[in-house]
Amino acid sequence: DGGITQSPKYLFRKEGQNVTLSCEQNLNHDAMYWYRQDPGQGLRLIYYSQIVNDFQKGDIAEGYSVSREKKESFPLTVTSAQKNPTAFYLCASSLGRFQPQHFGDGTRLSIL
Amino acid sequence: SQQGEEDPQALSIQEGENATMNCSYKTSINNLQWYRQNSGRGLVHLILIRSNEREKHSGRLRVTLDTSKKSSSLLITASRAADTASYFCATVATGANSKLTFGKGITLSVRP
Repeated sequence: DGGITQSPKYLFRKEGQNVTLSCEQNLNHDAMYWYRQDPGQGLRLIYYSQIVNDFQKGDIAEGYSVSREKKESFPLTVTSAQKNPTAFYLCASSLGRFQPQHFGDGTRLSIL
Repeated sequence: SQQGEEDPQALSIQEGENATMNCSYKTSINNLQWYRQNSGRGLVHLILIRSNEREKHSGRLRVTLDTSKKSSSLLITASRAADTASYFCATVATGANSKLTFGKGITLSVRP
């Protein structure tokens, strides 16, 4: 079955710590995305990548970093510079920029 | 920035009734998409309607688009308890650098 796998499902971060969220897809999609969802809010775009070795900042990129070394993988690092990281993080992929996006089941990040 | 604004914010209906959800947006679009999110899960794409289309159907779902009013509606007919979820509209604006932009969502509760 093709899909997107996010891990871990739950993650806790200590003060001053960087944490990395994993996102893997086997849909052969070129484009991948990271979103942040806060309670009662829509999705806000953190970073997106339309092709391997290339990515662009979204609306709220400060305090986050990404890499796209393989087509299947798009990990997100939440750095210590992100002062309010508690949120639900969603990874998605699509065939192209205007196409429907397929989502993973998210990682919930909390502060210890 | 969030372009799509859904209305109402919350909707509670009895099983078997129809549910109508509305979305308004501000700028010209390439297409508009509706997604569903079950609690604690990722989003699932429901339907995409292009700017030159007025209506689309998929099973019990009917989506309309009125570009002159910059609005769309999602109708779920003969609702079921399993339709209980949050529903989001998302727009792709026209323009070279446009991205999928989500509204804040509508919480639908279907009472058995």
